[in-house]
Amino acid sequence: EVQLLESGGDLAQPGGFLRLSCAVSGFTFANYAMTWVRQAPGKGLEWVSVINYSGGNTYNADSVKGRFTISRDNSKNTLFLQMNSLRVEDTAIYYCAKGRRSDWRSSLDSWGQGTLVTVSS
Amino acid sequence: EIVLTQSPGTLSLSPGERATLSCRASQSVWSSYLAWYQQKAGQAPRLLIYDASSRATGIPDRFSGSGSGTDFTLTISRLEPEDSAVYYCQQYGSSPPYTFGQGTNLEIK
Repeated sequence: EVQLLESGGDLAQPGGFLRLSCAVSGFTFANYAMTWVRQAPGKGLEWVSVINYSGGNTYNADSVKGRFTISRDNSKNTLFLQMNSLRVEDTAIYYCAKGRRSDWRSSLDSWGQGTLVTVSS
Repeated sequence: EIVLTQSPGTLSLSPGERATLSCRASQSVWSSYLAWYQQKAGQAPRLLIYDASSRATGIPDRFSGSGSGTDFTLTISRLEPEDSAVYYCQQYGSSPPYTFGQGTNLEIK
C-alpha cells in the first residue's frame, strides 16, 4: 500500500523558515517524480513545486520561486520542501503527492494527508 | 502558464441525475495531459481521471472524462450522495507549472 506522511508544519513568523518532510512507503520512491501542492484555508489547490525522479531537475511556481527549495533523499525515501522568507500568504495545508509515472509530466495518483503551515506574527 | 477555468462554480443536483463539469484551458493542453481530482471536506484530493479520459484505479465507471485541446469535461452519471465534493482539473502537459483550475463545488440535494 502506497503511503505518504508529511511532517514539519508549524506556526512561523513572517520572514521565518520551515522545512517540510514527506516520508513515503509502498512503492519505489527513486522511480517517480514528486510534487508539493498547497491549499490555503477555504481556497482551492495550488501547485507549488516538482522534482524529477533523481532530484536533478526541479521547478517552482512563481509565487515561491527564490524562497522555496524542493529536494529528495532517495536512500531515505523522503521528500523535502525548504521554505524560507515565509509570508502570511504561504499559510496553507501542504500536500506531497506522487506522480503516476516516472516522468514529471504526470497526474498525481497518491497524496498525503497534509501538514499545516501557519505564518503569522 | 496555462490558466484553467472551471464551470460552473457550484452545481446542485439530485441523486440519480447526471453532472457535467467543464474545464477550459487558456491554451492547448499538450497531449491531452489533463486530470480530474475529487476532494471531500477535510480530506486530501483523490485522482479520478488522467490523460483526459482514463479512469484511475478503483474509480467507478460512473465517472468519465472527455475532451482535447482546450476543452475538457468530467461527467458523473447516476449521482450518489457520496459524490458531494469539490472537483478540480489539472494540466500537466509540456513544461511546469502544472496548474489547477479553481474547482467546482458539487452538491447532492
